[in-house]
Amino acid sequence: GAGVSQSPRYKVAKRGQDVALRCDPISGHVSLFWYQQALGQGPEFLTYFQNEAQLDKSGLPSDRFFAERPEGSVSTLKIQRTQQEDSAVYLCASSLGQDQPQHFGDGTRLSIL
Amino acid sequence: KQEVTQIPAALSVPEGENLVLNCSFTDSAIYNLQWFRQDPGKGLTSLLLIQSSQREQTSGRLNASLDKSSGRSTLYIAASQPGDSATYLCAVKDVNTGNQFYFGTGTSLTVIP
Repeated sequence: GAGVSQSPRYKVAKRGQDVALRCDPISGHVSLFWYQQALGQGPEFLTYFQNEAQLDKSGLPSDRFFAERPEGSVSTLKIQRTQQEDSAVYLCASSLGQDQPQHFGDGTRLSIL
Repeated sequence: KQEVTQIPAALSVPEGENLVLNCSFTDSAIYNLQWFRQDPGKGLTSLLLIQSSQREQTSGRLNASLDKSSGRSTLYIAASQPGDSATYLCAVKDVNTGNQFYFGTGTSLTVIP
């Protein structure tokens, strides 16, 4: 596809369950970013990949959050033992390089019951 | 930590009016600043990217300016249309952290037909 694709679009999980969110970046984009957006707020940075290397994970809120991009293309954000405060929209973005515009997917809306 | 503020939080204007959205940031050491629009339930669409060495960028009816030393950017929308109704977010890429975009909380724009 032409844009960044995220799946699922919506995810409902019970507290304590593990979830996995997928991001398909634009083909050829080296940089990939994950953000968390709470209702009425701007996105907050979670982690950054350059190809398959996770160069910055300083924004991950706890060790329950884990992201990977094993082949430098598709990325997965995993949240273990979900908590209610994890409810948010998770956005993925990709870019050709660090100084290039970031292109965002439509996000995954995660609701923890 | 970089703090990004957007004023006003909400704006309602009649169709055809020119308008200005404001963004301020606390640390002038930035790589670039990007303006986005976000429609309800959607991801972010990149509008304009201004590198730290640039003063402004233009695309169609949009013009964004950057005054890095004073920590300010403005997004000017000419001849507003109902289709411009959305939330507008600015984000800065900070030199100190390198990979992170810091977002404001956005300005919600409504253009009344």
